[in-house]
Amino acid sequence: EADIYQTPRYLVIGTGKKITLECSQTMGHDKMYWYQQDPGMELHLIHYSYGVNSTEKGDLSSESTVSRIRTEHFPLTLESARPSHTSQYLCASSEYGPLHFGNGTRLTVT
Amino acid sequence: AQKVTQAQTEISVVEKEDVTLDCVYETRDTTYYLFWYKQPPSGELVFLIRRNSFDEQNEISGRYSWNFQKSTSSFNFTITASQVVDSAVYFCALSRNAGGTSYGKLTFGQGTILTVHP
Repeated sequence: EADIYQTPRYLVIGTGKKITLECSQTMGHDKMYWYQQDPGMELHLIHYSYGVNSTEKGDLSSESTVSRIRTEHFPLTLESARPSHTSQYLCASSEYGPLHFGNGTRLTVT
Repeated sequence: AQKVTQAQTEISVVEKEDVTLDCVYETRDTTYYLFWYKQPPSGELVFLIRRNSFDEQNEISGRYSWNFQKSTSSFNFTITASQVVDSAVYFCALSRNAGGTSYGKLTFGQGTILTVHP
């Protein structure tokens, strides 16, 4: 059973602020992913990583960036938050099995 | 391009009723994986089942069953004798079967909100 943790759980922030959403997993999975879930519920892949120092953009274009300096850690950063970034962000990890998801960060930009 | 369609946006049933959630997919790949995930109010997505495109056998797990029909590109999910705890959003998803990270690069359907009333 993968343990994957996201913080903060909820974040309300003003336009223009820089934010970092944290994601950590304890199972040593090489593959990690960020999905964005819009208010209409649909999920879209925005970033993924094969392993340390590997990051790729997903199917949905995003102004966010990610880094993978350690296997267990895959943070997502928005340099200047805008109301259009309001969404839920879900982090996931896997090896060759199904994705294991964190509880998500619900971001509101005012 | 891949696409997953869950035509039912919301379903409401009374406890103990059976309910079927529909999923239709499009892909040009000859091999692929199909998934169902459950998203309770707590927000995380919980894995329910994975099906390889080579395996068209239906599957039953307790009150859950899945009907995979490649001929109609459908992967429907049935809950028998529904319970209030089944209330959640259910997502059908599709990934390529191309090794590496393709397995985790899912194309999700729009989700179906299931509400089970006592």
